[in-house]
Amino acid sequence: DAGVIQSPRHEVTEMGQEVTLRCKPISGHDYLFWYRQTMMRGLELLIYFNNNVPIDDSGMPEDRFSAKMPNASFSTLKIQPSEPRDSAVYFCASSLTAGSSGANVLTFGAGSRLTVL
Amino acid sequence: AQSVTQLDSQVPVFEEAPVELRCNYSSSVSVYLFWYVQYPNQGLQLLLKYLSGSTLVKGINGFEAEFNKSQTSFHLRKPSVHISDTAEYFCAVIKAQGAQKLVFGQGTRLTINP
Repeated sequence: DAGVIQSPRHEVTEMGQEVTLRCKPISGHDYLFWYRQTMMRGLELLIYFNNNVPIDDSGMPEDRFSAKMPNASFSTLKIQPSEPRDSAVYFCASSLTAGSSGANVLTFGAGSRLTVL
Repeated sequence: AQSVTQLDSQVPVFEEAPVELRCNYSSSVSVYLFWYVQYPNQGLQLLLKYLSGSTLVKGINGFEAEFNKSQTSFHLRKPSVHISDTAEYFCAVIKAQGAQKLVFGQGTRLTINP
């Protein structure tokens, strides 16, 4: 398996522009997570999906952020309009329900580094 | 809610020396614990996990961690480090039942000096 695939790896944009980050989870995984990593705040969970349905979006910073998962093999995180404080590395991760005797183990993508000027 | 505290933001050690990265957690319910490693410009990789059973768990690259319920700790250790271990290490916790929210600590940057 190719792992979790994220694109773009790097994005530089100007304030006010729309940004779309993409994620392809590992085939067969039923959970998908979006995290944001900054020096100040560390790794923050933004939102996660189970079977394509958003379960918890309490970490989404504000209405400028939205995430979708139209099917089991694709998810997007959109920021509109973008602001300099959105500059961060955004990680997508996926996992498979482990059942009663285990725990979901997240596999992370390589991340998308966003710079908003 | 669960929380994780990594007590050291940076740990410098010499090559072939032992190292311990400290992690304490807080939770009112049973949890699973994890250590992830992040190499420069890469995503996070799982080092090891504690679910149940033996409190000493072994992971990849010669790392091990010990779960201590009374002290709510899950410290990571390696008896002899290599230059290639230079990375950021994250401790994480998740509820054993229910919501699948993995909560991370702030990370510890391990720097290996020759």
